[in-house]
Amino acid sequence: DIQMTQSPSSLSASVGDRVTITCRASQAIGNFLAWIQQRPGKAPKSLIFGASSLQTGVPSRFSGRGSGTDFTLTISSLQPEDFATYYCQQYNSYPPIFGPGTKVELK
Amino acid sequence: EVQLVESGGGLGQPGGSLRLSCVASGFTFSRFAMSWVRQVPGKGLQWVASISSSGGSTFYADSVKGRLTISRDNSNNTLFLQLNSLRAEDTAVYYCAQKSAYYALGSYLQAWGPGRPVTVSS
Repeated sequence: DIQMTQSPSSLSASVGDRVTITCRASQAIGNFLAWIQQRPGKAPKSLIFGASSLQTGVPSRFSGRGSGTDFTLTISSLQPEDFATYYCQQYNSYPPIFGPGTKVELK
Repeated sequence: EVQLVESGGGLGQPGGSLRLSCVASGFTFSRFAMSWVRQVPGKGLQWVASISSSGGSTFYADSVKGRLTISRDNSNNTLFLQLNSLRAEDTAVYYCAQKSAYYALGSYLQAWGPGRPVTVSS
């Protein structure tokens, strides 16, 4: 099975900060990588698919990059509603494993 | 607007059975693969199972294979998850999710339901 890791596991940031989260796959997955946001007490929400394509309605301050094994999610200017946990997920092969998550907290 | 609404689940006994349903609206259900994902409170997301748009192909996490069964009724826009031989480790919130294409492999999760809790306890 492909294993997914994320770093950092948590971070503290302020409104307006630029934040970058890294996701790494244990083997190459092309661009079959999604980013998912989960606000506290809420259902997950799809943000990015294909490593870099924004889901409809997702603000342009979110961006994704990468291919193969190394990927990043960047929030260019953190907004209050962005404080959440972010998961990456590979969907290149079964099982479609999620990363362990990165919690973005208010500094 | 895509809507996914889970029902069922609740409290089940070890070794017992429960069933989850997910009614879909706002899209042509029969054209999309679907998945179940679960989350133990305070923990991360865990993929459980996926099914192709026709129901002809199903995929399961090793931890649930042989005990949980995913199925669908395209005539009633409903996805199911049958949970048999319940274990304490099945305790979680279960999310129904729409995939981005008719095929289950190579498509991503594009919409999620609000989730339904399942508790396994005697």
